Amino acid sequence: GAGVSQSPSNKVTEKGKDVELRCDPISGHTALYWYRQSLGQGLEFLIYFQGNSAPDKSGLPSDRFSAERTGGSVSTLTIQRTQQEDSAVYLCASSRRAGQPDTQYFGPGTRLTVL
Amino acid sequence: GQQLNQSPQSMFIQEGEDVSMNCTSSSIFNTWLWYKQDPGEGPVLLIALYKAGELTSNGRLTAQFGITRKDSFLNISASIPSDVGIYFCAGQGINTDKLIFGTGTRLQVFP
Repeated sequence: GAGVSQSPSNKVTEKGKDVELRCDPISGHTALYWYRQSLGQGLEFLIYFQGNSAPDKSGLPSDRFSAERTGGSVSTLTIQRTQQEDSAVYLCASSRRAGQPDTQYFGPGTRLTVL
Repeated sequence: GQQLNQSPQSMFIQEGEDVSMNCTSSSIFNTWLWYKQDPGEGPVLLIALYKAGELTSNGRLTAQFGITRKDSFLNISASIPSDVGIYFCAGQGINTDKLIFGTGTRLQVFP
């Protein structure tokens, strides 16, 4: 597609359930980022993939959060045993390569609500 | 997580007025970026700054990378209704690809 796509656009889940959020980056982009945006807040870095290198997981808030990137393209962010404080918009971005922030293109986000 | 100090938090202005917002950090950044986010959308890059002291314009937008490398401002001249949205600054530190985002400035423009 022309831009970064994310699915689902909205997800409502019960506390304690696991959720998976998907990101399809722009074709050919080697770097992929996940951010979290809580209501009225800026974006909080979660995890970053660059090519075949080990991901930078330094922003993941707890071990309930994990992410994979299969085949260097699609990425899935998984939140296990969701808590109410996990409610936020989860944004994915991709860029042609690392170190070039002006090419980070964002998807529309997945709004997660944990009841 | 770490965030930049961005001000003001919100602005309510009349169409045609100029707008100014800024970000400050306790850390030095190599790159400063300004994004705009519309409701239900991801942020869109407006301006990127790569050198201390750099002043860059993009149409009615002007941004500067502070000399100390710890601050940046964004000016919007002659605001129009479509300028409404949330503006975020973001900084990229030394030897990292991660962006640290500001808390955002919500702009409302009244006709």
